[in-house]
Amino acid sequence: KQEVTQIPAALSVPEGENLVLNCSFTDSAIYNLQWFRQDPGKGLTSLLLIQSSQREQTSGRLNASLDKSSGRSTLYIAASQPGDSATYLCAVNTDKLIFGTGTRLQVFP
Amino acid sequence: NAGVTQTPKFRVLKTGQSMTLLCAQDMNHEYMYWYRQDPGMGLRLIHYSVGEGTTAKGEVPDGYNVSRLKKQNFLLGLESAAPSQTSVYFCASSYSSERIYGYTFGSGTRLTVV
Repeated sequence: KQEVTQIPAALSVPEGENLVLNCSFTDSAIYNLQWFRQDPGKGLTSLLLIQSSQREQTSGRLNASLDKSSGRSTLYIAASQPGDSATYLCAVNTDKLIFGTGTRLQVFP
Repeated sequence: NAGVTQTPKFRVLKTGQSMTLLCAQDMNHEYMYWYRQDPGMGLRLIHYSVGEGTTAKGEVPDGYNVSRLKKQNFLLGLESAAPSQTSVYFCASSYSSERIYGYTFGSGTRLTVV
């Protein structure tokens, strides 16, 4: 059974820091991996989608990497801002999207 | 382009009542999904559909039924609501077999069963 784990569960940092959020999964047979952002009481916003054949994807200050063989993905956030405060969810696609429980990020001024 | 729309956004039910949650997408997606999100447990798949007229069980299907009579709509029904079904429900959709596209999510329905 595919299991997705995200570490850390919560993170609080000062503005301007570069951050790394981690996601690990137990079964490497995935089609792709998607990172989402969720603001309190809101829905999920897709940030980055990495296909199983890709190593990384970038969007603005965000960079996501994928090492399928070791079952790991990282989301790198450069020069963090208070507006980045949210919960970040990692999900792997194995015909169904299996989610981790998320990393709750707080960036303070 | 509205994407994925869920109605209603909030609902309070009494134990034993029934209700239907509606999900509509305008992206011509083949696949549609219903998830529930609970504190500390992440999002869990309830039911999904790979095309009009099809449905399949996900991880936590008990107590729910679904129907996909039209490609753009996916309905989630609670026949006899229980307090354990208090949750936030999310609908999602995606393109089909190539699996190279990501999922698009609705904004959620917050359901409380008292």
